[in-house]
Amino acid sequence: GDSVTQMEGPVTLSEEAFLTINCTYTATGYPSLFWYVQYPGEGLQLLLKATKADDKGSNKGFEATYRKETTSFHLEKGSVQVSDSAVYFCALKAAGNKLTFGGGTRVLVKP
Amino acid sequence: DVKVTQSSRYLVKRTGEKVFLECVQDMDHENMFWYRQDPGLGLRLIYFSYDVKMKEKGDIPEGYSVSREKKERFSLILESASTNQTSMYLCASSLESPDTQYFGPGTRLLVL
Repeated sequence: GDSVTQMEGPVTLSEEAFLTINCTYTATGYPSLFWYVQYPGEGLQLLLKATKADDKGSNKGFEATYRKETTSFHLEKGSVQVSDSAVYFCALKAAGNKLTFGGGTRVLVKP
Repeated sequence: DVKVTQSSRYLVKRTGEKVFLECVQDMDHENMFWYRQDPGLGLRLIYFSYDVKMKEKGDIPEGYSVSREKKERFSLILESASTNQTSMYLCASSLESPDTQYFGPGTRLLVL
């Protein structure tokens, strides 16, 4: 079946550091890929998405590129802020309306 | 803005109790979902519904049931709560052919 694997956290960074969160997937066909973010005490919200190979999703300084050849969708941000502290979830949507989520990666940015 | 609300942020119940978790969305979305979120396991789909009175099992439906009598409301029912159902429960909704699911703030349930 479909699955998403992302790096375990927590990831602890200093402000203005570079952030990478790895995400790889297994799916039949050509899924859409997503990154969701969950800030403390809140529900998940969509951060960015990509619907086909080589697409780049971007939002709030975050980027991720859909790499079909490596089945990956790594999340990057060049300079993190304390306000980026959150849990980040990689997800895919193959056939139907169901999302399959990775285990989540907690990111803590220290001033 | 889409708004998904859940009836409680925190809930404490005893083993064997029947528990109702309510979710309401205000954007006329066809699809609604219930997930549970556990550390290291991410979100796992319990049930979803693509129309009023329609429901489909997700990946972990055992011990749960759902009800969707109106389009905007999707209820999750724990028929007889058990301690292994202690978790964070998240509701979400989406349009008919969605790219995006919109999530509520979650209900943290503790079963003693």
